[in-house]
Order: sequence, then C-alpha cells, then structure tokens
Amino acid sequence: KQEVTQIPAALSVPEGENLVLNCSFTDSAIYNLQWFRQDPGKGLTSLLLIQSSQREQTSGRLNASLDKSSGRSTLYIAASQPGDSATYLCAVDNAGNMLTFGGGTRLMVKP
Amino acid sequence: DAGITQSPRHKVTETGTPVTLRCHQTENHRYMYWYRQDPGHGLRLIHYSYGVKDTDKGEVSDGYSVSRSKTEDFLLTLESATSSQTSVYFCAISESQGWVAFFGQGTRLTVV
Repeated sequence: KQEVTQIPAALSVPEGENLVLNCSFTDSAIYNLQWFRQDPGKGLTSLLLIQSSQREQTSGRLNASLDKSSGRSTLYIAASQPGDSATYLCAVDNAGNMLTFGGGTRLMVKP
Repeated sequence: DAGITQSPRHKVTETGTPVTLRCHQTENHRYMYWYRQDPGHGLRLIHYSYGVKDTDKGEVSDGYSVSRSKTEDFLLTLESATSSQTSVYFCAISESQGWVAFFGQGTRLTVV
C-alpha cells in the first residue's frame, strides 16, 4: 500500500526566504505526482502536476521536482510572501484513479 | 473560480439518519470524486465516477453509496450516519484519470 509522508509537518519562516517542502512515497511505480495548496476552511487548489516521465514543473515562484527512483518530490518556493501561508499537500497516483495524499506541511510566512 | 459547488456546506445530523451530499459541476469533466478529510488521516478517497452511472469504490467506501445520473451531478449518500462519519467531505473533478483539476469548497458534516 502506498504511503506518502511530508516533512516537516509545520514550518514558520520570515518573508523573503526561499524554502523547500518535502514529500516522500514508498512505492515508486507512480503515474503522477501533484502538489496542492489548502487555505483554512477551504478546498484544495492544484499547484503543479508532474507526470511520471517528467522531472520537474514550474509555475511562477514554485518549482516541483520528482525523483521516482528515490521516492521523493520537493516543492521549492522562492522569495516567500505572507500570502503563501497555507497547508501544502502532495498526492501520488499509482493505479490511475486513486490519489494517495500526504499529511501536509503547514506553512506560515511572517511579515 | 472553477464551476464546482457542494451542498450543503454545513450539516448536523443524528446517528442513524440518512444523509445525502451533492456535488455539482459546470466544467463537463468526466471524472468526479468524493474524499473525506480527517485529522491524522489526511484526505482519503470514498468513491469516484468515470461517467454517467459508472462508479467505483475508493479506500474508505464502507457505509457510503454514490450515484451519478447526469454528467454534472455526483451524490454521496450515508445510508445510516454514524459518529465515525463526522468529517469534512470534498468533491473533486478532472478531465482524465490520475489527477485532480478542481476541488469543491467542502461540506462539514457532524453526526451527533
């Protein structure tokens, strides 16, 4: 059974810092890996989708990388802002229709 | 904002009563999903649909049923609600399998 772990569970940084969020998974036979953002009391917003043939994806200040062989993905956030404060979740797809989610990293960016 | 809405947004119900949650989309996406989110367990898939009248079970389907009679609507029914089904329920949609394009805003269900 696929297990997805996100470390750290919570992170607090001053505004302007570059930061890295980590996601690890136990079964490397994945089709896709997706990063989401969740604001308190809201639904999830898709940030980046990395397909198994890809190594990374970029959107604005966000860059996600994928290393299937080691079972890891990282989400890099450049020049963090208070508006980046949220919970970030990663999810992997093994079987085509069942995403397995990590527990999330709760990020606080202080002004 | 993406065209996906959940109703109701909040509901309190008594143990043993049936409950139906509704997900409505205007994106014409083929795939629809129901997840529940609980502290310590994260998001887990309950059921999903890959077309009208085509549904399948997810990781935590016991005690839940679903129906999809139209492309735009996906209903989740708790046949006889239990306290363990107190949770936040999210609907999600995608055009193709293996990823999620949009999530709904969630329904907070409390079973007392």
